[in-house]
Amino acid sequence: DTEVTQTPKHLVMGMTNKKSLKCEQHMGHRAMYWYKQKAKKPPELMFVYSYEKLSINESVPSRFSPECPNSSLLNLHLHALQPEDSALYLCASSHPGQGADEQFFGPGTRLTVL
Amino acid sequence: AQKVTQAQTEISVVEKEDVTLDCVYETRDTTYYLFWYKQPPSGELVFLIRRNSFDEQNEISGRYSWNFQKSTSSFNFTITASQVVDSAVYFCALSEAQDSSYKLIFGSGTRLLVRP
Repeated sequence: DTEVTQTPKHLVMGMTNKKSLKCEQHMGHRAMYWYKQKAKKPPELMFVYSYEKLSINESVPSRFSPECPNSSLLNLHLHALQPEDSALYLCASSHPGQGADEQFFGPGTRLTVL
Repeated sequence: AQKVTQAQTEISVVEKEDVTLDCVYETRDTTYYLFWYKQPPSGELVFLIRRNSFDEQNEISGRYSWNFQKSTSSFNFTITASQVVDSAVYFCALSEAQDSSYKLIFGSGTRLLVRP
């Protein structure tokens, strides 16, 4: 299984809502990533988990809260978001090696904040 | 700082034309890894190739080929006999170490439109 799955595919939420994005992989990868991608821009790294521990947080606002409950799952909890947080949120996974390993990306969750 | 530059924002070609996407990178590291990803309209990034800094051999995979030149810090991607299905955004990326992990530094992407 060489697939990263993400749910939901689309999400519309108000600024006072709380929602979660989910990501799952069964490739035995021990590094997982959250990216945010605005239209016509490259993906921007938000968080990296390595062996289920948060290893990189790219100064992301606290209204985004990542969680890695086990080696296969990665969540992104959303609370009190702003309209400018509307974007495509991509999850990826890889072996946490020496930078040589390709990241496998999921199809993304397209988030709209009203 | 590490940086990846893709100077071509958009390229439009007619089917069966050859097209080259440029990528120039900057890094302090002696060992580094470069990648190309394809992002079709569906949104998912698809891995195309990885190249390490010690292997300057060009690579060919079907209609795709890559030219890695350390002397000019470039890692260019050529599609031969382009097809409509090649229409996508293509990202070049460089792997960078941070703390105990690695992250990808993406270029700004090149949008390729292949017209029938």
